[in-house]
Amino acid sequence: DIQMTQSPSSLSASLGDRVTITCRASQGINNHLAWYQQKPGKVPKLLIYGTSTLQSGVPSRFSGSGSGTDFTLTISSLQPEDVASYYCQKYDSVPFTFAGGTKVDIK
Amino acid sequence: EVQVVESGGGLVKPGGSLRLSCTASGFIFSNFGMNWVRQAPGKGLEWVSSISSSSTYIFYSDSVKGRFTVSRGNAKNSLYLQMNRLRAEDTALYYCATGAYGDYYSVIWGRGTLVTVSS
Repeated sequence: DIQMTQSPSSLSASLGDRVTITCRASQGINNHLAWYQQKPGKVPKLLIYGTSTLQSGVPSRFSGSGSGTDFTLTISSLQPEDVASYYCQKYDSVPFTFAGGTKVDIK
Repeated sequence: EVQVVESGGGLVKPGGSLRLSCTASGFIFSNFGMNWVRQAPGKGLEWVSSISSSSTYIFYSDSVKGRFTVSRGNAKNSLYLQMNRLRAEDTALYYCATGAYGDYYSVIWGRGTLVTVSS
């Protein structure tokens, strides 16, 4: 099975900072990668699919990039409402594995 | 409004069974694959199972294969997860989520139903 690894596992950044989260697959996944945001005590929310396509309603400060085995979620200017855990997931083939997540908070 | 609502969670002893349900509304249920995703207390998300729109394709994680069975009733806009031979490590909040058209990432999530396996 393809393994999914996210880094860092947690980060603290200042308001307005550019934040980057990395997701790595142990093999190529044909850009079938999604990103989710889960705020504390809340339901996960789809942010990005197909590596870089923003889900409707998601603020444009979020962006996704990458190809092959290395992918990135970027928050261009960190806002208070972005405090959350972020997860990437592969969906090219089973198992549709989630990575371990990245917890983002404000410094 | 597009939504999915889970039910059926509860406390069950190790080795027991439970059946989760998920009722969908606000969209054409029969057009979309569906997913079950779980989250153990304080842990990350874990994909459990997916089923295609017409039940032709069914997938399970290795951790539940042979113990859990996913099914759907398109006439009732409902998704099910029959969980047998439950273990303590199955304790989690179980989310039902819609797939995308032709893909299995999760678009619309329910609030989840809590399953606790304990003696």
